Amino acid sequence: EDKVVQSPLSLVVHEGDTVTLNCSYEVTNFRSLLWYKQEKKAPTFLFMLTSSGIEKKSGRLSSILDKKELFSILNITATQTGDSAVYLCGIIQGAQKLVFGQGTRLTINP
Amino acid sequence: SQTIHQWPATLVQPVGSPLSLECTVEGTSNPNLYWYRQAAGRGLQLLFYSVGIGQISSEVPQNLSASRPQDRQFILSSKKLLLSDSGFYLCACPIAQRGGRTGELFFGEGSRLTVL
Repeated sequence: EDKVVQSPLSLVVHEGDTVTLNCSYEVTNFRSLLWYKQEKKAPTFLFMLTSSGIEKKSGRLSSILDKKELFSILNITATQTGDSAVYLCGIIQGAQKLVFGQGTRLTINP
Repeated sequence: SQTIHQWPATLVQPVGSPLSLECTVEGTSNPNLYWYRQAAGRGLQLLFYSVGIGQISSEVPQNLSASRPQDRQFILSSKKLLLSDSGFYLCACPIAQRGGRTGELFFGEGSRLTVL
């Protein structure tokens, strides 16, 4: 059975801390892994990772994929209260499907 | 520019009543379309996807159904709602600049359904 597992499910830290969110997967016909941030309604795209070992960066956020060990991490450094959100990991399978994990709810306290 | 319209934005329905949620996409043609459900701020569960008019793939057996009567219209329906159907329903399609097929998804603003 295809699985996308995110951990932790919930995380509370103080502003300025660094956090690492995890996504592991067991899926057939893997094509790419995506990270999204969801604050209120529509999730917004962060990264798409297709190749192992190549870090994607955007400001304080970065992500990397390990296709041998079947996982990805999303790092956020110097966290701010605006980083509070649900972070979603999704896997593109084959030509049509995009399936998501349960999400990690991140809360940044001032 | 690419937009997704979902309506209604909020809906409160009694158990056993019918449901129709609509999604219309603009700014792209012949896209893959997706319905996801999210319970209580958690992850997204893929319900249905469609690669073309009249073509529906169901991911989770349940009392919901989907239809795609037009290229850019995707409808989620139920004949009789259950309490467990409550949730946040999101419609999505691939970003047009990526070729409109599978890849980075663009999401609508969602429809929040409460079944009482």
